[in-house]
Amino acid sequence: DQQVKQNSPSLSVQEGRISILNCDYTNSMFDYFLWYKKYPAEGPTFLISISSIKDKNEDGRFTVFLNKSAKHLSLHIVPSQPGDSAVYFCAARVNQGAQKLVFGQGTRLTINP
Amino acid sequence: DAGVIQSPRHEVTEMGQEVTLRCKPISGHDYLFWYRQTMMRGLELLIYFNNNVPIDDSGMPEDRFSAKMPNASFSTLKIQPSEPRDSAVYFCASSFTGPNTEAFFGQGTRLTVV
Repeated sequence: DQQVKQNSPSLSVQEGRISILNCDYTNSMFDYFLWYKKYPAEGPTFLISISSIKDKNEDGRFTVFLNKSAKHLSLHIVPSQPGDSAVYFCAARVNQGAQKLVFGQGTRLTINP
Repeated sequence: DAGVIQSPRHEVTEMGQEVTLRCKPISGHDYLFWYRQTMMRGLELLIYFNNNVPIDDSGMPEDRFSAKMPNASFSTLKIQPSEPRDSAVYFCASSFTGPNTEAFFGQGTRLTVV
């Protein structure tokens, strides 16, 4: 049972344009959402997060949007840069007490010069 | 802080052999997680510990898998006997208790069972 889904295995974007990565979830008990970035041969690194009480969080070129009614999360990167090429994982936490993160399958983002 | 440290980085073993993966979490973190990365399922949570106590091992695929955390600075994930379908990248991560905290990952162990 995949509670967090990233339906696009890959995405290709031109440098300077906006990259939009999507994530859907099924568990309404999730209270905290995160995006991780992963380069080859490295572990995932935290990128940005959002609490379920908010609908938007921005950090520089990265913005995460949360639509609770649709159970949908998205990450916007603008402008996209070649160094953004990586695999992006969406993650969700069941509740604060558990600290357990459930991850999606990942989306491979390629930024073309 | 050196971050989460995993060893070995790569492991190649023959089917039927025992494999032990090791993890040293970030000092002061009270949660430790073991994940497995596959193409189909992304990052699967296998098991996690809180204050060295296993909390949820529902993700452990079979009885061939076991994990221990004898103290706050060390954990092992063991596969005995190993099978080719266990080939994957295994990640260890740690975090501390808090309302909005992220998990920090190690660099992973790439396991190949031939």
